[in-house]
Amino acid sequence: EDQVTQSPEALRLQEGESSSLNCSYTVSGLRGLFWYRQDPGKGPEFLFTLYSAGEEKEKERLKATLTKKESFLHITAPKPEDSATYLCAVVMGANSKLTFGKGITLSVRP
Amino acid sequence: NAGVMQNPRHLVRRRGQEARLRCSPMKGHSHVYWYRQLPEEGLKFMVYLQKENIIDESGMPKERFSAEFPKEGPSILRIQQVVRGDSAAYFCASSLRTDSYGYTFGSGTRLTVV
Repeated sequence: EDQVTQSPEALRLQEGESSSLNCSYTVSGLRGLFWYRQDPGKGPEFLFTLYSAGEEKEKERLKATLTKKESFLHITAPKPEDSATYLCAVVMGANSKLTFGKGITLSVRP
Repeated sequence: NAGVMQNPRHLVRRRGQEARLRCSPMKGHSHVYWYRQLPEEGLKFMVYLQKENIIDESGMPKERFSAEFPKEGPSILRIQQVVRGDSAAYFCASSLRTDSYGYTFGSGTRLTVV
């Protein structure tokens, strides 16, 4: 069965302590992998789309990479305002719908 | 551009009542997706609609749930005879085209069934 697994479930970092969030997928016909940020009580906010292995995208302190089996969201020198839940999702085959992982809750302490 | 608008933000219903959730997509977007987020669960796809058509309802429960996206007006997710297990956050997303993948989400409707 196609699925998306994110790890760890929760991550606590000190401000400035860089780390990576993992999203592994077992899907056929990957058409795109998405990263979203979700703050409490709000809807997901789009961060990145990756389409093919080897692709990388950056935005401020965030960098997303993609291989044939997984994606990483690297956070460099995080700040408390980076605290949120980070969601990974895929679009596969002929579908247009997003299939999400359960998310990673990131807490950054000042 | 007001983005994807969902209302109400919070909805409380007694068991057995009906719940109607509304979603107005971004201006110019004709594709709407509904997702449900249960506590401690990820977002789960429910239904994909274009104007006046249901394209994919593979994630919709077989009973009590229905969705529409009329030619004029917002998309509606309707839950009849709500039960406690329907309590969740319901999110709507819209996109410009099926291949654009520019999904924009609304802030969601939090349904509580008492």
